[in-house]
Amino acid sequence: AQSVTQLDSQVPVFEEAPVELRCNYSSSVSVYLFWYVQYPNQGLQLLLKYLSGSTLVKGINGFEAEFNKSQTSFHLRKPSVHISDTAEYFCAVSDNAGGTSYGKLTFGQGTILTVHP
Amino acid sequence: KAGVTQTPRYLIKTRGQQVTLSCSPISGHRSVSWYQQTPGQGLQFLFEYFSETQRNKGNFPGRFSGRQFSNSRSEMNVSTLELGDSALYLCASSLAFRDSQETQYFGPGTRLLVL
Repeated sequence: AQSVTQLDSQVPVFEEAPVELRCNYSSSVSVYLFWYVQYPNQGLQLLLKYLSGSTLVKGINGFEAEFNKSQTSFHLRKPSVHISDTAEYFCAVSDNAGGTSYGKLTFGQGTILTVHP
Repeated sequence: KAGVTQTPRYLIKTRGQQVTLSCSPISGHRSVSWYQQTPGQGLQFLFEYFSETQRNKGNFPGRFSGRQFSNSRSEMNVSTLELGDSALYLCASSLAFRDSQETQYFGPGTRLLVL
């Protein structure tokens, strides 16, 4: 079984400041990791994903994340945020164990990022 | 390429009724997953279909069911609606030719309100 913990439920930040959204996971098998963003009244949009290879992953809209296997973390960062980044962000994991993992993402509880002018 | 589409976008039902939600995946995608999103429980996996077969199921009661058609379109049905079924229901599709590393792309969701 897997679990995902997003350590901050809300993160307020000023425009043009850097931001880090924290995500830790627990799994008994190797995992794939994802960050999704949800704008009000919309579905989820993929920001970035880690499947294998380089632990630093770059995504859309200037976001990046670093996979740290020893700390079981996958924190999301952006060096300078914009008002338009205000949204809810979800960290998710899937595993490659087959069977009960087919088509299943396990999500964290979400972090609401609010960018203030 | 068109994205994942879900119909209807909004739905109001009363307790005891049943409801059917529809999802059309991205062209060429053969896997469809369904999720329930509520403020209290967050995003929870309902089930996944691939080639018209349910391959995986989350921890939801039997009132929640689904199916997939030969063109990969999927429907989910909730019978005997309860107030707690009020939620945003999200559908996601993926190529699914190679296990769970395939990226899931989400539709806009159907918001269900049960009165």
